[in-house]
Order: sequence, then C-alpha cells, then structure tokens
Amino acid sequence: AQSVTQLGSHVSVSEGALVLLRCNYSSSVPPYLFWYVQYPNQGLQLLLKYTTGATLVKGINGFEAEFKKSETSFHLTKPSAHMSDAAEYFCAVRPGSSASKIIFGSGTRLSIRP
Amino acid sequence: DTEVTQTPKHLVMGMTNKKSLKCEQHMGHRAMYWYKQKAKKPPELMFVYSYEKLSINESVPSRFSPECPNSSLLNLHLHALQPEDSALYLCASSSPGLAERSSYNEQFFGPGTRLTVL
Repeated sequence: AQSVTQLGSHVSVSEGALVLLRCNYSSSVPPYLFWYVQYPNQGLQLLLKYTTGATLVKGINGFEAEFKKSETSFHLTKPSAHMSDAAEYFCAVRPGSSASKIIFGSGTRLSIRP
Repeated sequence: DTEVTQTPKHLVMGMTNKKSLKCEQHMGHRAMYWYKQKAKKPPELMFVYSYEKLSINESVPSRFSPECPNSSLLNLHLHALQPEDSALYLCASSSPGLAERSSYNEQFFGPGTRLTVL
C-alpha cells in the first residue's frame, strides 16, 4: 500500500534561514509526488511536482524538492525563509495504480520567527 | 481561467436542514473531487467524478449526496448532517489524460466552504 510520512508536525525557523520539510513515501510503482501549501482558511495550492525526468524540481515561491529513489524521499527546501512562508505544507503521492487518487501526508506547520 | 470556485464560503446549518455546496471550474478538466478537511488534518477524499460519472465513493454516509450536472459543475447536497460533519469542504479538479503516466496530474483546489453544523 502507498503511504506518505512527513517528519515533524511543526517546524520553526528564523527569517532568512534554510527551510527543510521532510517527506518519505512508500510506493510499489514509480510515483508522482507533490508538495502543496495551505495558508489559513484557504484551499491547497500546488508548490511543485515530480512526475518523471529531472529529480530536482523547482516550484513557486523559491521552493524546490529533490526526488531520491534510493531513500524514498522527496524533501522540500527553500534557501531563505520569508515571513509569508508561514503555512501548512502537505506532501502527497499519486500511486500509479490509482490514477485519480492522491494520498496526503499528515502535514507540517511551518512557523517563521522574526 | 485557472481557478476553481466554491460557494458559499461559509455555511451554518441545523441538523434538519437541506443545503448544497457548489463547485465550478472552467479549465476543461474532466475529473472533479470532493474532500473533507478537519482542523490540523490533511484533506480526506470523499468522492471522485470522472467524465461526469461517479468513479470513487470513499464509503461516505448517504447524508452527503454528490452530483455532477455537467463537466464544469460539481455539487454536494447535504441533508440531516451531524455536528461532527463540521469541517472545511474542498473541491478540486484535474485533467485526466489518455495514457496512465499522463493521467490525472496535479489537482487544482478551490478555497473551500467552511461548514458548521449546529
């Protein structure tokens, strides 16, 4: 069965510091992987996705993620945190066997300290 | 237009009321989804419509009744809800392709309807 694990339900960094949000997945077939962001009282917005090809994926707002098959990881990073990055972040996987379903991780709340 | 719209933004209803949530997209997507999201939790899939036909029902209670009148519209009819059904209800859409690896790419989400059942 496919699953997604996000390590750390809450991450706090200082403004200007590196952001690292961890995501590990389990999938028996090559997965599609996604990172979504949710600001308070809003829907989810796609940050970036990995389907095939280049394993380093760049997204919006300066975020990027690297697909590491050997580590079954898809960690999200941003070199320099901004106050506006404070939000909930969800990693998600779309199993190849279920075209229409995506499985979300439990989420990581990112806080930014001034 | 790359937006999914949802109405209303907020809804308060009693347990005996009948109400409907509406979702609309004009991106030509042929897959549409309803999710339920409780506070501090990820979205939980409720229903999937593919080409206006219900393809997935995640064992949702019958007090939730989805409807897809056309390829752009998705409704969720609510009747005899319970207080524990209070949540953020999210609609999403995506574009299915013809081949497995191109199918159902990223889902585009609407802003949600905040539902409170009294």
